[in-house]
Amino acid sequence: NAGVMQNPRHLVRRRGQEARLRCSPMKGHSHVYWYRQLPEEGLKFMVYLQKENIIDESGMPKERFSAEFPKEGPSILRIQQVVRGDSAAYFCASSRGTSYNSPLHFGNGTRLTVT
Amino acid sequence: AQSVTQLGSHVSVSEGALVLLRCNYSSSVPPYLFWYVQYPNQGLQLLLKYTSAATLVKGINGFEAEFKKSETSFHLTKPSAHMSDAAEYFCAVSEGDYKLSFGAGTTVTVRA
Repeated sequence: NAGVMQNPRHLVRRRGQEARLRCSPMKGHSHVYWYRQLPEEGLKFMVYLQKENIIDESGMPKERFSAEFPKEGPSILRIQQVVRGDSAAYFCASSRGTSYNSPLHFGNGTRLTVT
Repeated sequence: AQSVTQLGSHVSVSEGALVLLRCNYSSSVPPYLFWYVQYPNQGLQLLLKYTSAATLVKGINGFEAEFKKSETSFHLTKPSAHMSDAAEYFCAVSEGDYKLSFGAGTTVTVRA
């Protein structure tokens, strides 16, 4: 049973370019979450999605960041016009539900470096 | 608002010694508490969780944590460290919904 799959593992972008991070949740999971980990910090919640719906994007920066979870295919976190401060590890997690009985399963992350 | 504070960003222990990682939380409602472990270049793996049942929670790899409401703490322990325990450990709190608030993490190194 494959876990949460994220790709790419490493992504290098120049300032001003776009970054696209992909996440395929575990089989049977319809809830997807994105978290960002800055150096020397814990993970910070960004966005929670279900199929075709953004449920909570309270942790997303207001500009340049967007996320989607289409009916078919992986969830995408998109960062437009990247800046050096966007350099971080971005983790996707998935779950069956939203209660404490539905623990989050994390992917191995995408490490974004902006040069 | 919920939050956690992990005391000590780095802990070094000898192989076979006790591992103690400290976590204090703040929450306006009875919290759900979690410990996760992160190995280099990997995602987070759930070690254990507290969900208002027993206050002493046993997890994987010999770890356990005790919920102490009076101290607002949820410290993680392992009686005897193994080299494979070297990793970063995160405490997290949830107020019952989907959103976890993580501490800044504690890196554990194990000396032979």
